[in-house]
Amino acid sequence: SQTIHQWPATLVQPVGSPLSLECTVEGTSNPNLYWYRQAAGRGLQLLFYSVGIGQISSEVPQNLSASRPQDRQFILSSKKLLLSDSGFYLCAWKGTSGGNTDTQYFGPGTRLTVL
Amino acid sequence: GEDVEQSLFLSVREGDSSVINCTYTDSSSTYLYWYKQEPGAGLQLLTYIFSNMDMKQDQRLTVLLNKKDKHLSLRIADTQTGDSAIYFCAEKAGNTGKLIFGQGTTLQVKP
Repeated sequence: SQTIHQWPATLVQPVGSPLSLECTVEGTSNPNLYWYRQAAGRGLQLLFYSVGIGQISSEVPQNLSASRPQDRQFILSSKKLLLSDSGFYLCAWKGTSGGNTDTQYFGPGTRLTVL
Repeated sequence: GEDVEQSLFLSVREGDSSVINCTYTDSSSTYLYWYKQEPGAGLQLLTYIFSNMDMKQDQRLTVLLNKKDKHLSLRIADTQTGDSAIYFCAEKAGNTGKLIFGQGTTLQVKP
């Protein structure tokens, strides 16, 4: 069966520090991968998605970047964090072959607080 | 552009039925989804409906789709305190599988 992991679960960082959040998927190949941010009390905003290794599409201009160095690894980064980067970051995957290729499955999330 | 709207809050008593409503704008959406988010957790897929269906039932959950009005609803029968959570409606946009989410409806279940 497929599983999705996010690391770390919580993170407190000072303004101006770098960021690296990791998402890994097991049990599937060539998934589409997604990064979302959920600000406090609000819905989900799609930040990046990837349809393959090294292929990143950005949905909104921002202080963050994403990379996909391996098929099942998706990384969210920043060189210098801003206060407005605080939020709950969710990674999701979607299959591209086999059974259900129309549903996204979410990881447990990373709670980021920038002070 | 695509947009999904939900009411922000719903309060019901344990044992009652809950109905969470959602409207969307993209008439070409092929799939519509309901996700549940418990405090501090990720999103759990509850159910989804294909756009050529009017209704889908799964145990206590009933999804109704009115394509003409672009209206989606989730009915939870015999609501329990464990159903307290935020419920997100989402529509599939485009061919990359991107989802457009509503703001989420917080369901409060009172004992």
